[in-house]
Amino acid sequence: GAVVSQHPSRVICKSGTSVKIECRSLDFQATTMFWYRQFPKQSLMLMATSNEGSKATYEQGVEKDKFLINHASLTLSTLTVTSAHPEDSSFYICSAQGTGDWGELFFGEGSRLTVL
Amino acid sequence: GQNIDQPTEMTATEGAIVQINCTYQTSGFNGLFWYQQHAGEAPTFLSYNVLDGLEEKGRFSSFLSRSKGYSYLLLKELQMKDSASYLCAVKGSNYQLIWGAGTKLIIKP
Repeated sequence: GAVVSQHPSRVICKSGTSVKIECRSLDFQATTMFWYRQFPKQSLMLMATSNEGSKATYEQGVEKDKFLINHASLTLSTLTVTSAHPEDSSFYICSAQGTGDWGELFFGEGSRLTVL
Repeated sequence: GQNIDQPTEMTATEGAIVQINCTYQTSGFNGLFWYQQHAGEAPTFLSYNVLDGLEEKGRFSSFLSRSKGYSYLLLKELQMKDSASYLCAVKGSNYQLIWGAGTKLIIKP
């Protein structure tokens, strides 16, 4: 199956700083990537759909000025959490749709953000 | 509205069989996925159903009834490593995935 790599896997930062998370499709081109957030014992919550070469589409309630998404190439999308606060602490996961018949999603390893 | 329901938690014994149910109400249907997620890790794809019936893949099988808005994931010969959350997701009319909250499966020796 397709491989999606996400980095960093864990990050701890001080309140008010910005954190960048990278998501790469290693063996296929992904025109569309998805960014999810998951709080403990809860399901995945779609934050935004990242489209190569155009602006991301954000879900209702997600602040696009706070969660900056850049999809500059067919293999890389980045999520920047700006001016992070403790309530932004969460598990952030990216995914890309595979090229198979089913269109299943392949997920990155996830990034656990802790804001102190 | 759109919603997907699955049990919060289930417990089963090693070597046994367990069935995890998922019911859905969505505007449109373009397939149903099951994913496995171990604690602290990202989900991994298990199965996909778009037509009614049973799809078998090794120890795992997934069933779909579109008329009933119902699916189940069947796990046979349970192993300790099967302890994880199992997420049901439906691709709706706009082809976006709608996720269930997941079922935490606990396997006991």
